[in-house]
Amino acid sequence: GNSVTQMEGPVTLSEEAFLTINCTYTATGYPSLFWYVQYPGEGLQLLLKATKADDKGSNKGFEATYRKETTSFHLEKGSVQVSDSAVYFCALRFGGSQGNLIFGKGTKLSVKP
Amino acid sequence: DAGVIQSPRHEVTEMGQEVTLRCKPISGHDYLFWYRQTMMRGLELLIYFNNNVPIDDSGMPEDRFSAKMPNASFSTLKIQPSEPRDSAVYFCASSSILGEGRIGYDGRLFFGSGTQLSVL
Repeated sequence: GNSVTQMEGPVTLSEEAFLTINCTYTATGYPSLFWYVQYPGEGLQLLLKATKADDKGSNKGFEATYRKETTSFHLEKGSVQVSDSAVYFCALRFGGSQGNLIFGKGTKLSVKP
Repeated sequence: DAGVIQSPRHEVTEMGQEVTLRCKPISGHDYLFWYRQTMMRGLELLIYFNNNVPIDDSGMPEDRFSAKMPNASFSTLKIQPSEPRDSAVYFCASSSILGEGRIGYDGRLFFGSGTQLSVL
């Protein structure tokens, strides 16, 4: 079946450090891939997305590239800030049905000043 | 738009009591989702509706859970009777499939702030 696997957290970094959160997926076909972010006490919100192989999604300094050959969509940021502390969810979805959005378990990131 | 609105924000109840969680989706959205979030199981899809019709309720844990969407602007998730293991954060989300295939469409889900449920 379709699934998403994320690196387990928590991840603790110092401000201005480089961030990578790994995400791999298993899917029959070619899904769209997403990163959602959940700030403390809030619901999830879309951070970035990519719809086909080699697409790069980017937003707020975060980037992720859709790698079909490795079935991966790793999230990266060159210099994290304290305000990036949140839980990050990788997800996949096939077009045509909104109900097919499948989330990973989430990775908690804490950035220390 | 005010976004997806959930109420209450926090609910504390005793085991055996009925709990009703409420959700107002974003106007014009035709999909509505109920999720449950716990430390152990992460984010689980419980049920989703399309145009007020339940499409997939396979994630509903058991018969104690029920969800309704009487109109396009309101949905409820009910637990009766509640149990301590139901303690979690319950999220409602909405989205629209209108515009799919067009430039700029991203199919995102818009989440509410959640209801923190504690069953003692």
